[in-house]
Amino acid sequence: EILLTQSPATLSLSPGERATLSCRASQSVISYLAWYQHKPGQAPRLLISDASNRATGIPARFTGSGSGTDFTLTISSLEPEDFAVYYCQQRNNWPYTFGQGTKLEIK
Amino acid sequence: EVQLLESGGGLVQPGGSLRLSCAASGFTFSNYAMNWVRQAPGKGLEWISGFSGGGGSTHYADSVKGRFTISRDNSQNTLYLQMNSLRADDTAIYYCARDRNIGMVGIFDYWGQGTLVTVSS
Repeated sequence: EILLTQSPATLSLSPGERATLSCRASQSVISYLAWYQHKPGQAPRLLISDASNRATGIPARFTGSGSGTDFTLTISSLEPEDFAVYYCQQRNNWPYTFGQGTKLEIK
Repeated sequence: EVQLLESGGGLVQPGGSLRLSCAASGFTFSNYAMNWVRQAPGKGLEWISGFSGGGGSTHYADSVKGRFTISRDNSQNTLYLQMNSLRADDTAIYYCARDRNIGMVGIFDYWGQGTLVTVSS
């Protein structure tokens, strides 16, 4: 099973700042990595698939990058609605696995 | 508009059974693989099972294999999860998630809001 390690566990930033979230895989997942946003009481939301492909309706301030074992989600300028928990997920190997999440909180 | 609505959660004793349902609307259900993903209290997301849209293949995480059974009724646009031999560590919010493709490709483009399962005596 591929282990995904996200860092930091918590990120405290202010609206307008840039957020950089990291996801490291225990072995190569090539580019088969997705990012999801999850707010309490809501359905998770697909942001990025296959490392860098923004999902339909996702604002351009969300950018995914990376390949192999190291991936990054960047939010260029934080909006108030961006504060949430973010998960990475790999689909290169069974079973699909998620990282433990990064909580993005308002500073 | 794509909608996924889970139901069937509740309180069950250890060793008991429960069946979850996920009613889908706003898309051609049979054309998409479907999955169950859960989140235990204070924990991250865990994929537990998937069913291809063609009806051919199912997959399970080791943590539920042999205890849980995924099924689907394309005529009713509904996904199911039969959960047997429930344990305390099965306590979680269970989400239904649509895969992007008819086959299982592991990109979950729509999710429901989840149903809570609590396993406790």
